[in-house]
Amino acid sequence: NAGVMQNPRHLVRRRGQEARLRCSPMKGHSHVYWYRQLPEEGLKFMVYLQKENIIDESGMPKERFSAEFPKEGPSILRIQQVVRGDSAAYFCASSPPRERGDTQYFGPGTRLTVL
Amino acid sequence: SQQGEEDPQALSIQEGENATMNCSYKTSINNLQWYRQNSGRGLVHLILIRSNEREKHSGRLRVTLDTSKKSSSLLITASRAADTASYFCATDAASGGGADGLTFGKGTHLIIQP
Repeated sequence: NAGVMQNPRHLVRRRGQEARLRCSPMKGHSHVYWYRQLPEEGLKFMVYLQKENIIDESGMPKERFSAEFPKEGPSILRIQQVVRGDSAAYFCASSPPRERGDTQYFGPGTRLTVL
Repeated sequence: SQQGEEDPQALSIQEGENATMNCSYKTSINNLQWYRQNSGRGLVHLILIRSNEREKHSGRLRVTLDTSKKSSSLLITASRAADTASYFCATDAASGGGADGLTFGKGTHLIIQP
């Protein structure tokens, strides 16, 4: 049973470009979470999604960031017109379709560098 | 201070000694989880303790939870060099207590000296 998969593992973008980060949850998991980690910091919650629904996006910046989890395929975190401050590690986690509060299983992360 | 703060920020001990890390939080929680992160890697889930539990063991790990003090501790016994990593506590807020995601602290960086 493969764990949470994220790709790419490393992504380099120039200022103003778009970044697309992908997350495939563990098999059987229908809840996906995205977190951002700045250097020497803990993870900060961004968004919680279920299939075709954004449940909680209270941690998402108001502009340039969007997320989706379509019926088919991986969850996508999209950052438009990236700036240097977007450089960080972005982690995806998934959990099974049970009551909230269960263990979240994390992927290896995507390290975004904005030049 | 933010939810889920660990202390100390850094801890260096000799191999074989026990390591204790503490975590404090502010809101009511459903559960508290501890994660380990090796440098430049993803997070590995260590243990989950629910709000109605006071202590939990897993191998060399022992976690306590005191909901009256809103604090938790992680004890690693007989430490090994491979335990060198950053350790994070993360809280899952009780319904209406916050966002749906986990709230992480800044972590304790543990160094085990061989």
